[in-house]
Amino acid sequence: DTEVTQTPKHLVMGMTNKKSLKCEQHMGHRAMYWYKQKAKKPPELMFVYSYEKLSINESVPSRFSPECPNSSLLNLHLHALQPEDSALYLCASKPGERGDTDTQYFGPGTRLTVL
Amino acid sequence: EDKVVQSPLSLVVHEGDTVTLNCSYEVTNFRSLLWYKQEKKAPTFLFMLTSSGIEKKSGRLSSILDKKELSSILNITATQTGDSAIYLCAVVRNAGNMLTFGGGTRLMVKP
Repeated sequence: DTEVTQTPKHLVMGMTNKKSLKCEQHMGHRAMYWYKQKAKKPPELMFVYSYEKLSINESVPSRFSPECPNSSLLNLHLHALQPEDSALYLCASKPGERGDTDTQYFGPGTRLTVL
Repeated sequence: EDKVVQSPLSLVVHEGDTVTLNCSYEVTNFRSLLWYKQEKKAPTFLFMLTSSGIEKKSGRLSSILDKKELSSILNITATQTGDSAIYLCAVVRNAGNMLTFGGGTRLMVKP
């Protein structure tokens, strides 16, 4: 299995809803990432988990809450989002913090629309 | 603060043309530079470059790093409509776990 999967593919939510995005990989990678990508912009890093511990939080608002239940799974819990949070949310993984490669492998993303 | 700049911002060519995309960077303790292709959704990995002057090649795509000039180029020969995409360049610093992306080059290949 050489891919990163993300569910759902699309999500529409209201500003009072609570929802979660899910990311899964079975490549044995120990570093996992959440990115946010707005239209015509590059991905912006949100969170990094290394060996299931949160190692980087790029000053993301608390309405986004990451969780790494085990080495294969990464969740992003969403609550009280704003319309400007509408974007493509990408998950990525790589072998480890000091692996022999810096290559991150991206999932297909969840297209989020906040009404 | 790390900085990655890509040029041109966008490019329109015809099938069969050769294109060169540029990426320049300013980063403390540079370790590697990566190229990705992004069509509709996930960026897909193309190349990782760490050593200056060594060309990486995959089919019609090739890339080379120039550490003296703090830059890299991505060449695509005999372009096809399927090469239409945004090409992203990213750098990684030593003891780093993060990609710092450039703004991307949007390539459109017309039949």
